[in-house]
Amino acid sequence: DSGVTQTPKHLITATGQRVTLRCSPRSGDLSVYWYQQSLDQGLQFLIHYYNGEERAKGNILERFSAQQFPDLHSELNLSSLELGDSALYFCASSVQGLAGKTDTQYFGPGTRLTVL
Amino acid sequence: AQSVTQLDSQVPVFEEAPVELRCNYSSSVSVYLFWYVQYPNQGLQLLLKYLSGSTLVKGINGFEAEFNKSQTSFHLRKPSVHISDTAEYFCAVSDRGNQGGKLIFGQGTELSVKP
Repeated sequence: DSGVTQTPKHLITATGQRVTLRCSPRSGDLSVYWYQQSLDQGLQFLIHYYNGEERAKGNILERFSAQQFPDLHSELNLSSLELGDSALYFCASSVQGLAGKTDTQYFGPGTRLTVL
Repeated sequence: AQSVTQLDSQVPVFEEAPVELRCNYSSSVSVYLFWYVQYPNQGLQLLLKYLSGSTLVKGINGFEAEFNKSQTSFHLRKPSVHISDTAEYFCAVSDRGNQGGKLIFGQGTELSVKP
């Protein structure tokens, strides 16, 4: 158990819908990262938040957005869902995640999203 | 920009045999290197990481990896595998100078240990 929790574990929805994935980082961790794992794209970095502020963006679609709240939990919002958005979405947390730092990223168990 | 290539998508091996999972990276800047393992229906767990210093890095579960700067490689090895090592293994890099330390992953290597 990494200490990172993600809810829900599974999500099945239809095209065009909007969903919210939730992540609670390990106690004391200030950084949250979101990754997408799909069969065709592999594991891809989406976005990073540090203490409530966006720090880096990867190939995140405009239909996707995220935020980190004052209690440090994070939500990833996916809208206008398409079949290709079906994937496993991971959240990871680390103590800092600042420039030049090497703190380990601890991954949650993931949310499996299926878009029908 | 960085990229990671894991040279084998699948590696079948018999129990108690040695194994090597190969990883090459490309980067215009210095990087940190990582190996993660993903067991079925679970998240990723860090096996080991190279930050600096000795090029031979030891990790959990008897795994080790060697950083070779001239060949831009970071191959993962274990001298004797167990059935329980069956999992997917991911090599990753992060930019030393990048703000935030996002991980760039390879496509993964599925290790299948047979009795």
